[in-house]
Amino acid sequence: KQEVTQIPAALSVPEGENLVLNCSFTDSAIYNLQWFRQDPGKGLTSLLLIQSSQREQTSGRLNASLDKSSGRSTLYIAASQPGDSATYLCAATNTGNQFYFGTGTSLTVIP
Amino acid sequence: EAGVAQSPRYKIIEKRQSVAFWCNPISGHATLYWYQQILGQGPKLLIQFQNNGVVDDSQLPKDRFSAERLKGVDSTLKIQPAKLEDSAVYLCASSYRDRDRAFFGQGTRLTVV
Repeated sequence: KQEVTQIPAALSVPEGENLVLNCSFTDSAIYNLQWFRQDPGKGLTSLLLIQSSQREQTSGRLNASLDKSSGRSTLYIAASQPGDSATYLCAATNTGNQFYFGTGTSLTVIP
Repeated sequence: EAGVAQSPRYKIIEKRQSVAFWCNPISGHATLYWYQQILGQGPKLLIQFQNNGVVDDSQLPKDRFSAERLKGVDSTLKIQPAKLEDSAVYLCASSYRDRDRAFFGQGTRLTVV
């Protein structure tokens, strides 16, 4: 069974700082990996999806990388803003269809 | 493009009562998921539909939970009878096909007292 871990559980940074969120998974036979954002009381918003054949994906200030051999993915946020404050979750999809979620990293960007 | 719609947004029931949640996925999305998210945890898959067929329900507590997706569009998730540990946010998501980018609804927050 796939186990997904996100460290740290919480992160607080000053506005403007670049930051990296980490995601580790135990089974490297993944189909893809998605990064989501969750605001309090809201559902999840898909940010980036990386296929297993890809190394990274970029969207605006966000860049996600994938290293299947080491079982790791990172989400890089450039020039952080207070509006980036949210919980960020990663989810690995195995060939068996199911998304396996981590417990998330709660990010606070301080103005 | 309209998103995934869920109702109700909040529900408070007493233990042993029954409750039902409704989900309307994005038009044209064949795959529909129901997830349970307990406070402080990541979402856990309860059931996945492909059109109106069940793909994965291995983590659905079938003695009390049931779900259906009539005509391959809307879906309902039912809990009967509810237990205190069922208190969670129930999230519905859909994707064009399985393992594609998933779009989530805002969820239903269930409190069982």
